[in-house]
Amino acid sequence: GIQVEQSPPDLILQEGANSTLRCNFSDSVNNLQWFHQNPWGQLINLFYIPSGTKQNGRLSATTVATERYSLLYISSSQTTDSGVYFCAVGLKAAGNKLTFGGGTRVLVKP
Amino acid sequence: NAGVTQTPKFQVLKTGQSMTLQCAQDMNHEYMSWYRQDPGMGLRLIHYSVGAGITDQGEVPNGYNVSRSTTEDFPLRLLSAAPSQTSVYFCASRADLDYGYTFGSGTRLTVV
Repeated sequence: GIQVEQSPPDLILQEGANSTLRCNFSDSVNNLQWFHQNPWGQLINLFYIPSGTKQNGRLSATTVATERYSLLYISSSQTTDSGVYFCAVGLKAAGNKLTFGGGTRVLVKP
Repeated sequence: NAGVTQTPKFQVLKTGQSMTLQCAQDMNHEYMSWYRQDPGMGLRLIHYSVGAGITDQGEVPNGYNVSRSTTEDFPLRLLSAAPSQTSVYFCASRADLDYGYTFGSGTRLTVV
């Protein structure tokens, strides 16, 4: 199956700092999502981004499918950005199957 | 529009008991899935469905059954609960393969 690696595993930021999270995957995919799991355990869909670049407020994401990686950018971080960020990938031909990475745990300090 | 609704939010079972985790969505999504999340790990796919009457196994299906009699509902049944099934269970849905998933708020299950 597809292997998904996220880096770094842990990230501590001072409020206001910028950061980049990376997701590498082992095979071609045409389905990629970024999620934020908040401290209460809720999974929030950030981006559906199988290719290209998207932005939503202080967050943006870029996927280079041909090179098998995706990046999530957090700018001007806030304490509410704390939590775990997951990348999940899949192939449309495989239907519903999303494979999740191990996540990046982010702590934003005030 | 409630999105994806999971019930119950918390449940404690004794080993050997059975129960059903409920999942309902009001977005008319064809694709629905069940995932489990164990401490410090990402999510793993249990079962999924691509439409009413159609289900298939995911990565970790043993000990679980599903059915999809309607588009809206996708219940997950634990046949005989085991401590290894202690986990947080998430249900998710999406309209089709060109859209991302929306997740429910999860069910935290403890088997003692």
